[in-house]
Amino acid sequence: KAGVTQTPRYLIKTRGQQVTLSCSPISGHRSVSWYQQTPGQGLQFLFEYFSETQRNKGNFPGRFSGRQFSNSRSEMNVSTLELGDSALYLCASSTGHNQETQYFGPGTRLLVL
Amino acid sequence: AQSVTQLGSHVSVSEGALVLLRCNYSSSVPPYLFWYVQYPNQGLQLLLKYTSAATLVKGINGFEAEFKKSETSFHLTKPSAHMSDAAEYFCAVSGGGSARQLTFGSGTQLTVLP
Repeated sequence: KAGVTQTPRYLIKTRGQQVTLSCSPISGHRSVSWYQQTPGQGLQFLFEYFSETQRNKGNFPGRFSGRQFSNSRSEMNVSTLELGDSALYLCASSTGHNQETQYFGPGTRLLVL
Repeated sequence: AQSVTQLGSHVSVSEGALVLLRCNYSSSVPPYLFWYVQYPNQGLQLLLKYTSAATLVKGINGFEAEFKKSETSFHLTKPSAHMSDAAEYFCAVSGGGSARQLTFGSGTQLTVLP
């Protein structure tokens, strides 16, 4: 089975722009979660989508949003980028059942200038 | 609320020596605990997972961890370090309001010396 894929792998944007990141989960997985990883804050949960519905949300401002499509692929959008949004954004997929293992993609590294 | 504390942001061991990475958790419900490893410029790879079936959990690459409820600990060990084990290791807990939301520790960077 193919693993979780994320595109693009690297991205450079400037402050005030918006960005969209994409995640394709493992075939058959219906849950996609997003995490932000920074040196200062570590790994933080952004949100989770299951069957096209946001099921859980972390403590991030409304500039961070996401969606999930009927094929379980997910996108994450960040509007009005700030320097502090520079991070590695990781996507994880699972079956969606409680306590099931989450499998992570390689991440998208976003640099905001 | 759940939390994870990893003691030691950097650990160095010699090749062939015991690896011990410490993790303590706080959870108001029976936790599910995970250890993930991250190599440079890569995502997270699952090493092992505790789901209450057994307190000693064996994972990939010779790693294992023991769940100790009385100590609220889930330390990761490997009897003999290999150069390829050099990476960053994260302990994580799930449970509570959303069993699928992982709360991570701050990570431990493992260096293996020749």
